[in-house]
Amino acid sequence: DGGITQSPKYLFRKEGQNVTLSCEQNLNHDAMYWYRQDPGQGLRLIYYSQIVNDFQKGDIAEGYSVSREKKESFPLTVTSAQKNPTAFYLCASSPGTGAYSNQPQHFGDGTRLSIL
Amino acid sequence: DAKTTQPPSMDCAEGRAANLPCNHSTISGNEYVYWYRQIHSQGPQYIIHGLKNNETNEMASLIITEDRKSSTLILPHATLRDTAVYYCIVRVARDDKIIFGKGTRLHILP
Repeated sequence: DGGITQSPKYLFRKEGQNVTLSCEQNLNHDAMYWYRQDPGQGLRLIYYSQIVNDFQKGDIAEGYSVSREKKESFPLTVTSAQKNPTAFYLCASSPGTGAYSNQPQHFGDGTRLSIL
Repeated sequence: DAKTTQPPSMDCAEGRAANLPCNHSTISGNEYVYWYRQIHSQGPQYIIHGLKNNETNEMASLIITEDRKSSTLILPHATLRDTAVYYCIVRVARDDKIIFGKGTRLHILP
């Protein structure tokens, strides 16, 4: 089945550590996104990428980094500079721009990050 | 900020149609209406979207008023598995981000 796989489902980090969240899609989508969701809140965009080897900052990029070396993969690193990293992290993908730009984003099942 | 207004919660009896309203009075001509739902501890699930015509798929129907200032998501035969928070979103096709508001928490009553 085509879809978006996020791993791990739960992740614990010690203060001062960097951690990397995995996101893989087999939908052949050009665009990929990372969102953060806090309890009772909507989603906030961290980073997005419309094409391999290119990505842009979203609304809350500070303390995060990404790479897009392959079309199907868009890992997110939560660095020690992110002062409040405890949250639910969601990865999404969509076909991208052009003729398919109105197509929806599809989401993975998320990674819940907690600080020990 | 979200461009939509939804009731914070609704109840629906199992087996009945669930009609979820959404106001988007400032929608512009090139903005689509999208609906997603989120079941606890899962990622948002895409349901349906439309521009100005009514749309139907295997999950739901989307009714958009002629002036496009509001819409209704219809789940024709609600089941307990439809219990979730439902989000109505307006978005220009080329926009990269989705702005989720607080949504409607739908409770399906047995």
